[in-house]
Amino acid sequence: GAVVSQHPSWVICKSGTSVKIECRSLDFQATTMFWYRQFPKQSLMLMATSNEGSKATYEQGVEKDKFLINHASLTLSTLTVTSAHPEDSSFYICSASSRAPDQPQHFGDGTRLSIL
Amino acid sequence: AQTVTQSQPEMSVQEAETVTLSCTYDTSESNYYLFWYKQPPSRQMILVIRQEAYKQQNATENRFSVNFQKAAKSFSLKISDSQLGDTAMYFCALNSNYQLIWGAGTKLIIKP
Repeated sequence: GAVVSQHPSWVICKSGTSVKIECRSLDFQATTMFWYRQFPKQSLMLMATSNEGSKATYEQGVEKDKFLINHASLTLSTLTVTSAHPEDSSFYICSASSRAPDQPQHFGDGTRLSIL
Repeated sequence: AQTVTQSQPEMSVQEAETVTLSCTYDTSESNYYLFWYKQPPSRQMILVIRQEAYKQQNATENRFSVNFQKAAKSFSLKISDSQLGDTAMYFCALNSNYQLIWGAGTKLIIKP
C-alpha cells in the first residue's frame, strides 16, 4: 500500500517554541493532504486540508496563524505550530490522498507533541 | 449535514470469536464511499476495508467483512476468528467531498 512518512514522531519542547511537522508521501503524488488532531480516546478532528500549490483550507475554529500549513510539492506538506503553548499538546496526524473519491486516505504514523 | 454514528463505545470478546461493530451514517449524496480504519495502541491508522455505495456486494478482506445496508444507511464490520492483534480502536468513515467524516470510534478488546 501507499506509504506516508511523518516526522518527528515525538516532540517535547518549551512553551513559546515553534514546531514543524513534516508529512511526505513516498510512493505516490498526493494532490491533497489532510492534517488532523486527536485528543485522547477521541476520534480524529480535521484541522485543515491542503492542496498542492494553493493555500490550505482550515476548519472552523482552527487558528490559521497558530497552525501554519504549507504544501509546496506533491510529496510534502508541513504543519508548523507557532509559539506553542501547553494547550497545543496533542497527537497530530497527517494523511495524503490522490483526491479520487474511491481512494482511501493514507496516514502517517502521527506526531506526539508535548509542550512544557 | 453528513454524519457517522458509532453507538458502541467499547466491546470485548474472547479470542477466536466473531464480533460485529455497528456504524450508521447519513448523507444526501447518491454515490459515496465508506471505510473502516483500525487504530491499534501504536496509534497508526490502518485501512481495514472499504465499500463503494453503488456496489451491492459486501466487501470482504480475509477475516473482515461488512454488512452494507444502503437503504438503512448501515455499514457494520464483522471480524471473524478474532485475534489478539485485532485489539484497537475502530473508526467508521464516510468520504464526502474528498474529506472523511469520522465516527466516534469503538474500542475493541480481544481477550485471550
